[in-house]
Amino acid sequence: AQKITQTQPGMFVQEKEAVTLDCTYDTSDQSYGLFWYKQPSSGEMIFLIYQGSYDEQNATEGRYSLNFQKARKSANLVISASQLGDSAMYFCAMREGEDSNYQLIWGAGTKLIIKP
Amino acid sequence: DGGITQSPKYLFRKEGQNVTLSCEQNLNHDAMYWYRQDPGQGLRLIYYSQIVNDFQKGDIAEGYSVSREKKESFPLTVTSAQKNPTAFYLCATAKFSYYEQYFGPGTRLTVT
Repeated sequence: AQKITQTQPGMFVQEKEAVTLDCTYDTSDQSYGLFWYKQPSSGEMIFLIYQGSYDEQNATEGRYSLNFQKARKSANLVISASQLGDSAMYFCAMREGEDSNYQLIWGAGTKLIIKP
Repeated sequence: DGGITQSPKYLFRKEGQNVTLSCEQNLNHDAMYWYRQDPGQGLRLIYYSQIVNDFQKGDIAEGYSVSREKKESFPLTVTSAQKNPTAFYLCATAKFSYYEQYFGPGTRLTVT
């Protein structure tokens, strides 16, 4: 079974609009972490935001926020006021506990294109 | 200027040759990782190291080898045993293995 599911292979969004990228996860661990990364066409992976399973508040970093719904096992990335430079691939990843040596499990990604 | 460097950015090799990809970091991070990315796909873990002189196989280690003799360096050798070596290779580091990972710019390897 997929541990990280990103159901949107591609999205087109108008510039300045908010965009939500979906991520659902599957784990039986109580302690885990969720990450979002951006990969522009240059290829480098850029860390955006992190949410720990015990964090009571949703994580925010500038225009990025993580809509964490633990009971639904979802960790959606919200980008407010999208910009042309936000066009990229976006990956959701999960880190489980010590038994897995804290390896990251990656989703397949969502390609986001911002239209002017 | 702290960071992660991977060299070269593009690498071309003939089939049957071993090739070594470089990854160097000056972030003083303990953990280092090698990932492979094929077109339109996510990342797959090849090898990782949580401490100097120790490393573990990831999900797709066959045909690859690594060493971790120094904290700053984690070179990846793609051997002739790797059946489909053409791919984009990303190196990452983390302060500790449960922290967020930071990535280098990647090396695009083409084997013909």
